[in-house]
Amino acid sequence: QVHLVQSGAEVKNPGSSVNVSCRLSGGTFRSYTVSWVRQAPEQGLEWMGRTTPIPGISMSAQKFQDRITIIADDSTNTAYLELSSLKSEDTAVYYCARDANGPGRRDAFDIWGQGTRVTVSA
Amino acid sequence: QSVLTQPPSVSGAPGQGVTISCSGSSSNFGAGYDVHWYQQLPGAAPKLLIFGGNSRPSGVPDRFSGSKSGTSASLAITGLRAEDEATYYCQSYDTTLGAPLFGGGTKLTVL
Repeated sequence: QVHLVQSGAEVKNPGSSVNVSCRLSGGTFRSYTVSWVRQAPEQGLEWMGRTTPIPGISMSAQKFQDRITIIADDSTNTAYLELSSLKSEDTAVYYCARDANGPGRRDAFDIWGQGTRVTVSA
Repeated sequence: QSVLTQPPSVSGAPGQGVTISCSGSSSNFGAGYDVHWYQQLPGAAPKLLIFGGNSRPSGVPDRFSGSKSGTSASLAITGLRAEDEATYYCQSYDTTLGAPLFGGGTKLTVL
C-alpha cells in the first residue's frame, strides 16, 4: 500500500526557512506529481505548489513564488518543500499529497501525508 | 472571481441526509473542470471522498454522492452516522489562478 511519510514538527524564528520532506513508500514518484497543501490553525486548505520528478518540473501558487522551492528526488522517492522568509502567518500544518492519475482525477489528490506542523514564533 | 463558496456548517440527525453546496464560477466549474470532495476528520489529514464529480475511490461507501451543474456542485450524504462528523471541502482547478483551488470547508455536525 502506498503511503506518504512526512518529516517531524518544526519551530522556526521569523525570517528563517523551513524544509519539510515527504517520502513515498510502497510505490514510486516516477509517474506522479506531488503537491503541497497547507492549513493554518482553524482554517481551510491552501494549495502551494507541485513538482513532477520526471521530467523535473515544479510550479507554485503566485502567492508563494518568491520564497518557495519544491523539488523531488526520484532516486529516494522523496519530495521537499522549502519555504523561506517565514512569518507568523506561515504557522500551519503542511501536507504533501499525490496528484491522482486517470479519468476524472485531474487535479485531485488521492494520497496525503500525515502533515507536518510548522510553528513560526519569536 | 476565483473562489469556491461553501456554507460554514450543516447538521443532521443520525439516519437523515444532508447536502453540502459548493458555488464556483466560469473560471473553474464553468470552464469544465472537475469537482472533487474531501473529508477531514478532526486532527487528521484530508481524505479524497469523491473525484470527477461523482466517482468514489475504493472503500468510500455509496452513502456519499456528488453532482455538478453549471457553476455549482454538491455533495450528498445519506444515512448519517456519527463517524461522518467532519469538515468537507470541495476542490477544483481555476484558470484565473492557474492553480488548484479549495472551498472554505463545511463542518458537518451529526446531532
